[in-house]
Amino acid sequence: GAVVSQHPSRVICKSGTSVKIECRSLDFQATTMFWYRQFPKQSLMLMATSNEGSKATYEQGVEKDKFLINHASLTLSTLTVTSAHPEDSSFYICSARDRQFLYGYTFGSGTRLTVV
Amino acid sequence: AQSVAQPEDQVNVAEGNPLTVKCTYSVSGNPYLFWYVQYPNRGLQFLLKYITGDNLVKGSYGFEAEFNKSQTSFHLKKPSALVSDSALYFCAVRDRDAGNMLTFGGGTRLMVKP
Repeated sequence: GAVVSQHPSRVICKSGTSVKIECRSLDFQATTMFWYRQFPKQSLMLMATSNEGSKATYEQGVEKDKFLINHASLTLSTLTVTSAHPEDSSFYICSARDRQFLYGYTFGSGTRLTVV
Repeated sequence: AQSVAQPEDQVNVAEGNPLTVKCTYSVSGNPYLFWYVQYPNRGLQFLLKYITGDNLVKGSYGFEAEFNKSQTSFHLKKPSALVSDSALYFCAVRDRDAGNMLTFGGGTRLMVKP
């Protein structure tokens, strides 16, 4: 089946630094990648959608200069949290789909970001 | 616009008993419907989906769900709950006629007690 590998699973960084989260589709071509944020005991909130080779589309209220998304290839998308602050601490999850929607939506295992 | 409602924040059930986790949805067009399970500090694991065809969908780990168009529901069920089923369950919908976006319900925590 389809697998999305997300790294790192946990990261602790200092305020003001940047953190990069990677998601790779291992056995299919991820033509579209979704990035979600999840607060404790809450549902997933879509942050942005990216299509391979195109600029990401951000949801209302999400700062595109803070959350940089790159989807340069059909198997890799990255989310970079720039100048991180404690309020950016959260659980970030990626999800990918292929062009034909053969595998539905496949989720990464998530990244727990803690900004201190 | 599309939306999903999971009316129960938590469902408690005894091991061996049947379980139901409720989900209702709203879309303008025809829905794709999904159930995912999440364990602590983990991503979402796919359980099952309804795309078209038979209204009763069977998925992983003995779970099933029934698509009911008239009631706009997609309740998740299992005949006999296991303690290991305890987790957070999310229902999600995508309007197949309106793009890519998947909308999640608020989640339901399932607690199965021995």
